[in-house]
Amino acid sequence: NAGVMQNPRHLVRRRGQEARLRCSPMKGHSHVYWYRQLPEEGLKFMVYLQKENIIDESGMPKERFSAEFPKEGPSILRIQQVVRGDSAAYFCATYRSLTPDYGYTFGSGTRLTVV
Amino acid sequence: AQTVTQSQPEMSVQEAETVTLSCTYDTSESDYYLFWYKQPPSRQMILVIRQEAYKQQNATENRFSVNFQKAAKSFSLKISDSQLGDAAMYFCAYKYGGSQGNLIFGKGTKLSVKP
Repeated sequence: NAGVMQNPRHLVRRRGQEARLRCSPMKGHSHVYWYRQLPEEGLKFMVYLQKENIIDESGMPKERFSAEFPKEGPSILRIQQVVRGDSAAYFCATYRSLTPDYGYTFGSGTRLTVV
Repeated sequence: AQTVTQSQPEMSVQEAETVTLSCTYDTSESDYYLFWYKQPPSRQMILVIRQEAYKQQNATENRFSVNFQKAAKSFSLKISDSQLGDAAMYFCAYKYGGSQGNLIFGKGTKLSVKP
């Protein structure tokens, strides 16, 4: 859905570098989820944020990974000192507060390749 | 912990025929939602159909319908009159935790459509 923008679409990083992935929700959507998809796997939940707050980060590795969703601007997933095992597709999903249909809108994902 | 299992890594169907994709899940919750998502090669996650657990009636969206068996914890997707554009990965997903719970995905089924 073009309404949820993720960039970059592809990102190549050398081991040890930092990766910053961006997600801009649709207008009026104030809830953001980040998911990771390893090759041949389904999506795995990482973190759930509302504006300026982390609500649930139970799926995110304790080290090297962080996420934010500032009052202004996109949500950022940051991976420090990347390793080859971080290579995956990273998706964000959003939905509007109090929507009755519980539908999530996904971005097109960022494919991170660590070389 | 909630889990979602898709036992068919790959399926194939002839164009215009009908195919059923299987999904089972495990939960102790009584209020939850189930989804089928389609992921074509573009990587975009597209919501196909959604089912509320409290509804006995099976959801239907045009050529897509589900067979929801709550007691058996089964949620299969039937695609009628298959089209070449239906070829994709299909993921079954479960959501808990009220309106803000994250999605739990199965590993997916790769559907091929033969002309």
